[in-house]
Amino acid sequence: EIVLTQSPGTLSLSPGERATLSCRASQSVSSSYLAWYQQKPGQAPRLLIYGASSRATGIPDRFSGSGSGTDFTLTISRLEPEDFAVYYCQQYGSSPRITFGQGTRLEIK
Amino acid sequence: QVQLQQSGPGLVKPSQTLSLTCAISGDSVSSNSAAWNWIRQSPSRGLEWLGRTYYRSKWYNDYALSVKSRITINPDTSKNQFSLQLNSVTPEDTAVYYCTRAVSGSYPSHWGQGTLVTVSS
Repeated sequence: EIVLTQSPGTLSLSPGERATLSCRASQSVSSSYLAWYQQKPGQAPRLLIYGASSRATGIPDRFSGSGSGTDFTLTISRLEPEDFAVYYCQQYGSSPRITFGQGTRLEIK
Repeated sequence: QVQLQQSGPGLVKPSQTLSLTCAISGDSVSSNSAAWNWIRQSPSRGLEWLGRTYYRSKWYNDYALSVKSRITINPDTSKNQFSLQLNSVTPEDTAVYYCTRAVSGSYPSHWGQGTLVTVSS
């Protein structure tokens, strides 16, 4: 089973700053099968990035994804007030089919 | 536009069966390019994939090992929906349950609204 470890656990930043979130896999992950989600309180996760670097429909271009192998990054270039939330990485594999990281909480400093 | 609407009870007694349904609009449960998953979320276990059903000339199912002996996911083509049954529940099964659509089986692109299921007597 591939384990995804996200860091940091909590990131405190101010609006307008740049956010860099990390996701490290215990084994190599195909870039085609790495995704990022945003979750706000009381809501379902929302797909942001798929295939490691492709933005989902309607996602602003301040969100970008990069990485390959075991190291992947989600970058938010200039934080807007609505970006403060919890972010999860997710991979698709053999068994279990879908696994998630434990999340990074992005909070207002 | 794909939408998923969940229904089912929010309270289940220990040892009984948890049953949820997910109605699909904007796509077909028989799609050859989608997979229909159940995922749950709890503070102790985080986001946990439970299983999926999908159609590729015939019906297939995959289940997480952690629940494999207790879970059934079934498609209902007449109502364009799919369901989750989880048997012999314990308080550890208390979570928010989500149905999702995964493009080509890989990443959940659409999510239901979530159902908080509490296991308690």
